[in-house]
Amino acid sequence: DGGITQSPKYLFRKEGQNVTLSCEQNLNHDAMYWYRQDPGQGLRLIYYSQIVNDFQKGDIAEGYSVSREKKESFPLTVTSAQKNPTAFYLCASSIRLAGIHEQYFGPGTRLTVT
Amino acid sequence: SQQGEEDPQALSIQEGENATMNCSYKTSINNLQWYRQNSGRGLVHLILIRSNEREKHSGRLRVTLDTSKKSSSLLITASRAADTASYFCATVNFGNEKLTFGTGTRLTIIP
Repeated sequence: DGGITQSPKYLFRKEGQNVTLSCEQNLNHDAMYWYRQDPGQGLRLIYYSQIVNDFQKGDIAEGYSVSREKKESFPLTVTSAQKNPTAFYLCASSIRLAGIHEQYFGPGTRLTVT
Repeated sequence: SQQGEEDPQALSIQEGENATMNCSYKTSINNLQWYRQNSGRGLVHLILIRSNEREKHSGRLRVTLDTSKKSSSLLITASRAADTASYFCATVNFGNEKLTFGTGTRLTIIP
């Protein structure tokens, strides 16, 4: 069963705590992405990676960090510096970074920080 | 920043009718993609149309692109209850390999 998995589906944290969201893919895709979605809104790009050990900031990277130590994995850490962390987080991958390729999305993680 | 703006924001139609959603964007694009999102789920890619294409079909989906008006439309024919979802357009600019998503159209099919 190929695809992208994100865990957990729901995550609750207290303000001031860092939290790491998991994203794993077995599609053998080079490029991976993290998006944030707020209610009634489209997706905004947080970070992306086109190859292992390399990643770039997206449009809203402040307060977030990522790593890409393995091709299959692209975890996202939401730090205490992120002012409004409560949101729906989506991970995606594509064969390569080139925008001509469709992106495949995971089921998402809904993070609530109180 | 969000480039695409979908219109309408919400649409309710009877099952069997056709649904049309529009997307407008601001800058020149390499291609435009449409995605569907069921409530609380990830997005699913529907169709990609390149800047040199004017129309594309996939099953009950028909997408048009008018680069002179910087707009695209998604037509779903013979709608079904399972088509109930949010639909997003996403653009890719030349020289920028990232997708920029619009705010989406929420489609409800009434059985």
